[in-house]
Amino acid sequence: AQSVTQLDSQVPVFEEAPVELRCNYSSSVSVYLFWYVQYPNQGLQLLLKYLSGSTLVKGINGFEAEFNKSQTSFHLRKPSVHISDTAEYFCAVSDRRMGGNKLVFGAGTILRVKS
Amino acid sequence: DTEVTQTPKHLVMGMTNKKSLKCEQHMGHRAMYWYKQKAKKPPELMFVYSYEKLSINESVPSRFSPECPNSSLLNLHLHALQPEDSALYLCASSQEWTSGNTGELFFGEGSRLTVL
Repeated sequence: AQSVTQLDSQVPVFEEAPVELRCNYSSSVSVYLFWYVQYPNQGLQLLLKYLSGSTLVKGINGFEAEFNKSQTSFHLRKPSVHISDTAEYFCAVSDRRMGGNKLVFGAGTILRVKS
Repeated sequence: DTEVTQTPKHLVMGMTNKKSLKCEQHMGHRAMYWYKQKAKKPPELMFVYSYEKLSINESVPSRFSPECPNSSLLNLHLHALQPEDSALYLCASSQEWTSGNTGELFFGEGSRLTVL
């Protein structure tokens, strides 16, 4: 079964600084990869996804992620964060061989942007 | 319209009550999902419906009973719940993967359930 490890439970960062949220998954075979964001008391919103093709994926709100097959990683980056980026971020993986419907989430990383 | 609408937003129920959570989408998606999210934890898959048929049940206790009356609606019937079932229940929908679509999940804002 697929699994996802988010290496940092919380990441504090100052406004306008760059940030990287780390994500590793259990297998590089036939996976789809996603990053979702959850603001307090809300549902999840898709930031970006990797299905195939270019390993650098650009998403909404200035976020991007790079798929690294050899390191089984899919780290999320933003060059300059804003206070409004404060939220919880979830990395998720689904297995193409299983039809893709079963999305497995990592434990989440809380991004705290300080002024 | 890209919304998944969940009602109610908040629900408080006793352990002997019967209640239902409702979810509606009008994006033409044929896959719908229930996730459970405990505080400070990631969402955990409970059920998946594909073309109105239950395709995945993640060994969820029978006190949770899903229902998909049509392609736009998904219900979760609750009966004899325990306090540890208190959580945020998230509904999601997606295009069906087998059609070659990306299968991106669109989530509702959730129903926050408290069991007393």
